[in-house]
Amino acid sequence: DTGVSQDPRHKITKRGQNVTFRCDPISEHNRLYWYRQTLGQGPEFLTYFQNEAQLEKSRLLSDRFSAERPKGSFSTLEIQRTEQGDSAMYLCASSPSMTVSEDYGYTFGSGTRLTVV
Amino acid sequence: AQSVTQLGSHVSVSEGALVLLRCNYSSSVPPYLFWYVQYPNQGLQLLLKYTSAATLVKGINGFEAEFKKSETSFHLTKPSAHMSDAAEYFCAVSPLMDSSYKLIFGSGTRLLVRP
Repeated sequence: DTGVSQDPRHKITKRGQNVTFRCDPISEHNRLYWYRQTLGQGPEFLTYFQNEAQLEKSRLLSDRFSAERPKGSFSTLEIQRTEQGDSAMYLCASSPSMTVSEDYGYTFGSGTRLTVV
Repeated sequence: AQSVTQLGSHVSVSEGALVLLRCNYSSSVPPYLFWYVQYPNQGLQLLLKYTSAATLVKGINGFEAEFKKSETSFHLTKPSAHMSDAAEYFCAVSPLMDSSYKLIFGSGTRLLVRP
């Protein structure tokens, strides 16, 4: 396994258009997370899945955002009616279920950089 | 709510000098603590983590961090900076009782290494 893959790496879109990003986690990882990172800031949590179930969504995730993880494998993050404020790096990470502290670890993908013009 | 403060958005050191990047967290219960590094246009790579075992944690690339509960700090150090250490560094916490294990990041410190 080569790690967490994200596609595309870069996306430029016009305001008002819809965009969709894909994340392929490490195959044996059942947790998948989405974070957003704006310029000069640290990543901020958006949502996470355990297998196919979306268990938590941040208040940052407005109703224009939707995430799915069908069959508990890859995940997609869709943004509808994009706004300039959506311009950011969208990071995906995966991890195994963590029941003991020694197992605690994320693997991040390289991210999708979205620019809304 | 948990928060993380990284003092200094930019730190500049000479090659071979000590690297010290500061991180303080706000929590009455020590959370899990992490340092990540990010190179331009890349994702985050874990440097090291504190999960309530040893207070002095050694990580990759010669970095280490010391957890100090009395100071609510988890500063990152490296005895001798290398040019390849130039990157953005993020401190993060994960609240102990949060079953999501989500990370709360600081705003980052950009490390510049002068030749």
